[in-house]
Amino acid sequence: AQSVTQLGSHVSVSEGALVLLRCNYSSSVPPYLFWYVQYPNQGLQLLLKYTTGATLVKGINGFEAEFKKSETSFHLTKPSAHMSDAAEYFCAVSRYGTASKLTFGTGTRLQVTL
Amino acid sequence: DADVTQTPRNRITKTGKRIMLECSQTKGHDRMYWYRQDPGLGLRLIYYSFDVKDINKGEISDGYSVSRQAQAKFSLSLESAIPNQTALYFCATSDLRSGLSYNEQFFGPGTRLTVL
Repeated sequence: AQSVTQLGSHVSVSEGALVLLRCNYSSSVPPYLFWYVQYPNQGLQLLLKYTTGATLVKGINGFEAEFKKSETSFHLTKPSAHMSDAAEYFCAVSRYGTASKLTFGTGTRLQVTL
Repeated sequence: DADVTQTPRNRITKTGKRIMLECSQTKGHDRMYWYRQDPGLGLRLIYYSFDVKDINKGEISDGYSVSRQAQAKFSLSLESAIPNQTALYFCATSDLRSGLSYNEQFFGPGTRLTVL
């Protein structure tokens, strides 16, 4: 079985500050990991993904995440928050052979203040 | 035009009514999914379909049924709606025929369903 834990249902940062959204996963085999973003009244959009290879993954809008196998983590970061980053962020895990199913975390709502 | 569309976008109905939510895609993908989103619970898989003849239950399929009318269309039905089915429903697609072994899914804009 696979699972995802997102620490912190709400995170608030000041504009220009570092964004750090935490994600830990559980998987019995090497995982595929994803971060999705949901802007208000919209569907989910893929930010970035890790499948194989380089463990530091760069995505859209300046976000990046690092796969750390020893810590079973895939935290999302952005050096400098922008007001437009305010949204809900979901971490998800899949793995080869699971019939393509994604398991989502419960989400983290990011608030960006002036 | 959007690649994955959902209709209706918003629906209010009463307990006991039959409701159908529709999803269409122009991406040519073979796999389609229905999720529901509840505050604090993230997205949970209701049903998924690998092709027209292959339908599979997800983790919360009770009270729901689906129909894959064509490769591009996947409908979700609530035979007798109840208030705890009030949620945001998302359709998604993916394509493993591309040869990629991972499962990147593409989401529709969602349907907000309220059951009174």
